[in-house]
Amino acid sequence: QSVLTQPPSVSGAPGQRVTISCTGSSSNIGAGYDVHWYQQLPGTPPKLLIYANNNRPSGVPDRFSGSKSGTSASLAITGLQAEDEADYYCQSYDSSLSGSVFGGGTKLTVL
Amino acid sequence: QVQLVESGGNVVQPGGSLRLSCAASGFTFSSFVIHWVRQGPGKGLEWVAAIWYDGTKKYYADSVKGRFTISRDNSKNTLYLQMNSLRAEDTAVYYCARSQRGHSGYFDYWGQGTLVTVSS
Repeated sequence: QSVLTQPPSVSGAPGQRVTISCTGSSSNIGAGYDVHWYQQLPGTPPKLLIYANNNRPSGVPDRFSGSKSGTSASLAITGLQAEDEADYYCQSYDSSLSGSVFGGGTKLTVL
Repeated sequence: QVQLVESGGNVVQPGGSLRLSCAASGFTFSSFVIHWVRQGPGKGLEWVAAIWYDGTKKYYADSVKGRFTISRDNSKNTLYLQMNSLRAEDTAVYYCARSQRGHSGYFDYWGQGTLVTVSS
């Protein structure tokens, strides 16, 4: 069981908007620690997508956005494209574990 | 450009040992906290360990505490993971990753990973 909870899968048609949730607790997201998001294509290492809740690294399209509230966070993808089909992971820090924690991952399928 | 290159993955028997390395280049290695993150076959990401800039502080996931040791040699720009008493559940691709904003930050660069298989 992952410390952060994500839905196992989401799907959407090209051009649509999808969101992926990430739920934590009072020792991680709820304690004020930032949430970060990664995209992983098959056979490749994860790639940083969103850092510190809602910031995009250089080169990441503005179709990707993040938000955080309370003990949860969300990743939104608008204008869905076939190339967005991948696994998405949220990550934060947990003070009771003294280490980073990940969500279980969400597989995005573009219909 | 920033590069992280892992090596040392292999097939090892349960109870055996293995040492992974991660060679860094393209940035000032000693200025960053570096982590090991693993991913079992068909599974999600699991944080394994982290080491402070100068190696004085080390952090471990409960699943590897007492069995794995993280270390670094800043003169060689290299990170290590000594893995002892290996179990089948340690089978995974092991990534080294650089973190921004210290130990509790995010991972902005990842290596390609090295595969560790624990099997008899």
